[in-house]
Amino acid sequence: KNEVEQSPQNLTAQEGEFITINCSYSVGISALHWLQQHPGGGIVSLFMLSSGKKKHGRLIATINIQEKHSSLHITASHPRDSAVYICAVRSNTGNQFYFGTGTSLTVIP
Amino acid sequence: DVKVTQSSRYLVKRTGEKVFLECVQDMDHENMFWYRQDPGLGLRLIYFSYDVKMKEKGDIPEGYSVSREKKERFSLILESASTNQTSMYLCASSLWGIGYEQYFGPGTRLTVT
Repeated sequence: KNEVEQSPQNLTAQEGEFITINCSYSVGISALHWLQQHPGGGIVSLFMLSSGKKKHGRLIATINIQEKHSSLHITASHPRDSAVYICAVRSNTGNQFYFGTGTSLTVIP
Repeated sequence: DVKVTQSSRYLVKRTGEKVFLECVQDMDHENMFWYRQDPGLGLRLIYFSYDVKMKEKGDIPEGYSVSREKKERFSLILESASTNQTSMYLCASSLWGIGYEQYFGPGTRLTVT
């Protein structure tokens, strides 16, 4: 049983396209994180959300607490956005993090 | 800027060897975590520590142990490496309390032959 489910698992887009990655979770959370992992392994935190919406450059993250769902949007996608995007939630009952299996995004020039 | 460093980016060890993976963070974070990442399985928690000398098992602690003698350093130990421990190992740290994000190290790709 996965506490965090992401879709799609793999995504290929043409440069310039609008991209959406979805995350659903089943536990009570204190915060939701979107992470980016480039080939080579390093993970970078993109957003931390507990409600509403956040925007950073071409990236937008939204969360609906009632529906236990979050989306990550990339506007005007670029080949350098190619990476694995991971949704993670922090449980509100302890110190535990739960991770989705990631969405592998490839943006073609 | 928070910095989390790991002792090696790539490591090759033989079956049965004792393996030490070290992680150091420079932001005085209370929490430190060790994960392994395998294709199709995502990140899985091996152990975490919320204070010096304190540790708790994660989802997959079998075959691993940890040590936290100083606040900034968290070591993962494979007592007798096996081929099914070939994986990417990621260390992370965070402040104690809810709502704090984790900062990740660059990862160590371990191959056990």
